[in-house]
Amino acid sequence: GENVEQHPSTLSVQEGDSAVIKCTYSDSASNYFPWYKQELGKRPQLIIDIRSNVGEKKDQRIAVTLNKTAKHFSLHITETQPEDSAVYFCAASGYGGATNKLIFGTGTLLAVQP
Amino acid sequence: DGGITQSPKYLFRKEGQNVTLSCEQNLNHDAMYWYRQDPGQGLRLIYYSQIVNDFQKGDIAEGYSVSREKKESFPLTVTSAQKNPTAFYLCASSPSGTGGYEQYFGPGTRLTVT
Repeated sequence: GENVEQHPSTLSVQEGDSAVIKCTYSDSASNYFPWYKQELGKRPQLIIDIRSNVGEKKDQRIAVTLNKTAKHFSLHITETQPEDSAVYFCAASGYGGATNKLIFGTGTLLAVQP
Repeated sequence: DGGITQSPKYLFRKEGQNVTLSCEQNLNHDAMYWYRQDPGQGLRLIYYSQIVNDFQKGDIAEGYSVSREKKESFPLTVTSAQKNPTAFYLCASSPSGTGGYEQYFGPGTRLTVT
């Protein structure tokens, strides 16, 4: 069935280091891959997204890469800061054709140690 | 934080009672969604609606019901048939159509049933 696997479930890095979170999706028809950041008790907010016709996208310290052949995509955060600490969710869309339904990964708790 | 609102922020109910969670958006989005989030888990889709007067079950629809009588509103009723209703409930909206779109989330309602 439709599935998005996300790893690792927790990640601890030192301030200034890089963090990488990886996701794998199951439906080859997926064509949209957003990443959301959720701070404790708050709503998820989009930080970056990528579509299937692009292999990489970058926005300042954040980048996402997509490998359609392997059906996986990754979030890269460079020069991490304490305010990057949060739960990060990947998602994949395009399931079922015209629907915008997103399937979410189980999340990664990122802790940036000062 | 305009755009999509949920009320109330916290809700307490006794077991056996139905409860309705409100979700309103003024983003002119066709599609709306309800997710359930449990501690340490991802976002699981309860119901979604692509257009007024139409909605589909998500992955965990049992014990829940929805209506979509207006474009702006997508209320969720948690019925007494839901075995473990205590959770954080998130509503979202997005444009509709092919290609995938960002989903905008409301602030959430934390429901506690005792």
